Amino acid sequence: DAGITQSPRHKVTETGTPVTLRCHQTENHRYMYWYRQDPGHGLRLIHYSYGVKDTDKGEVSDGYSVSRSKTEDFLLTLESATSSQTSVYFCAISDGTGGGLGGYTFGSGTRLTVV
Amino acid sequence: AQSVAQPEDQVNVAEGNPLTVKCTYSVSGNPYLFWYVQYPNRGLQFLLKYITGDNLVKGSYGFEAEFNKSQTSFHLKKPSALVSDSALYFCAVRDSNKAAGNKLTFGGGTRVLVKP
Repeated sequence: DAGITQSPRHKVTETGTPVTLRCHQTENHRYMYWYRQDPGHGLRLIHYSYGVKDTDKGEVSDGYSVSRSKTEDFLLTLESATSSQTSVYFCAISDGTGGGLGGYTFGSGTRLTVV
Repeated sequence: AQSVAQPEDQVNVAEGNPLTVKCTYSVSGNPYLFWYVQYPNRGLQFLLKYITGDNLVKGSYGFEAEFNKSQTSFHLKKPSALVSDSALYFCAVRDSNKAAGNKLTFGGGTRVLVKP
């Protein structure tokens, strides 16, 4: 999606290893989010950021940490990957107004498999 | 806490027939409501939103949704479905109250299958 990119697009990792996913935006939006998508659960918020170095937990934050040292980058780290963290991860950005084209713009997703 | 319910896991409809995908929500303040669509192996695409004003909102690809405050609902509709509308649809809500945080909460999704 325009203005937001996620990397990598696909990753396979072993249980117990650390993994970092990257979200990069060029829209200069204040808010950035990490969601995970699992069948039957829709998208669930992991962590979000409301500014550089300002982050907060979402509803499924256990086992995840985030960092935002620059406006444009929001990193999601799985400190010690487990099979339950196999999922599709989406990053989203927002200018905070609820307006704009859709209020929130989503990246294309990262498919993570923990074996 | 805010929440969204999409009561139907799947909706089947014949091409040319009307399509309705149901959504109800719960927030403490006034809601900002959104519909997104996801095609296989793709990210979420914005369809439409309700922020304020007219309860009937028109969006992309011929979709519309009606905000009903008394029923706390925001059902997605299309008068004449196309096979290409087959996808996964998500309803989402955000509390307009800034104290609640600028967080979007999603429903579990409804898979729409339009048959020729």
